[in-house]
Amino acid sequence: AQSVTQPDIHITVSEGASLELRCNYSYGATPYLFWYVQSPGQGLQLLLKYFSGDTLVQGIKGFEAEFKRSQSSFNLRKPSVHWSDAAEYFCAVARGSTLGRLYFGRGTQLTVWP
Amino acid sequence: DAGVIQSPRHEVTEMGQEVTLRCKPISGHDYLFWYRQTMMRGLELLIYFNNNVPIDDSGMPEDRFSAKMPNASFSTLKIQPSEPRDSAVYFCASSPLGGGVRSGANVLTFGAGSRLTVL
Repeated sequence: AQSVTQPDIHITVSEGASLELRCNYSYGATPYLFWYVQSPGQGLQLLLKYFSGDTLVQGIKGFEAEFKRSQSSFNLRKPSVHWSDAAEYFCAVARGSTLGRLYFGRGTQLTVWP
Repeated sequence: DAGVIQSPRHEVTEMGQEVTLRCKPISGHDYLFWYRQTMMRGLELLIYFNNNVPIDDSGMPEDRFSAKMPNASFSTLKIQPSEPRDSAVYFCASSPLGGGVRSGANVLTFGAGSRLTVL
């Protein structure tokens, strides 16, 4: 069965520092992978997605993620974090070709120190 | 486009009362999804529709939960009777059909959510 693991429940970084949020997935076939961000009291916004092809994908707000099949990972990165990036981040994998049917990880809460 | 619109944004009710959550998807989107977010279980899919037809309701927790989509621009999620353990944020999301995986056309857009508190 598909599953998504985000090992870090809470991460704190200083503004300007680099960021990496970890995501591991379990899926038998080629996975369709996503990162979403949720600000307090808001819905989820898509940051980026991986379907196939280039394993390094670029997203909005300066985020990127790298798909590594050998490690079953899809880690999210940003070279320099801004205070406005403080939010909760969710990794997700689609269940088959209906891309709205998602398994979500439990999320990583990001705190940014000024 | 105004995006996916959910109402109410906040609902506080007493145990045993009926709760109805509403969703207006993005015009032209053929898929509609209801998700629930709780501290205990995280984000989980409850049910989804394609062209107003329920396709998979295996995530609906109990018979107390029901969802309908009478037309392409409106869906409801109803809980009757409500219980304290139903307290959660309920999200509606929609996505377009077509374009295929490679185009990324069928990617979800979420509403802001309805926060339900059952006392």
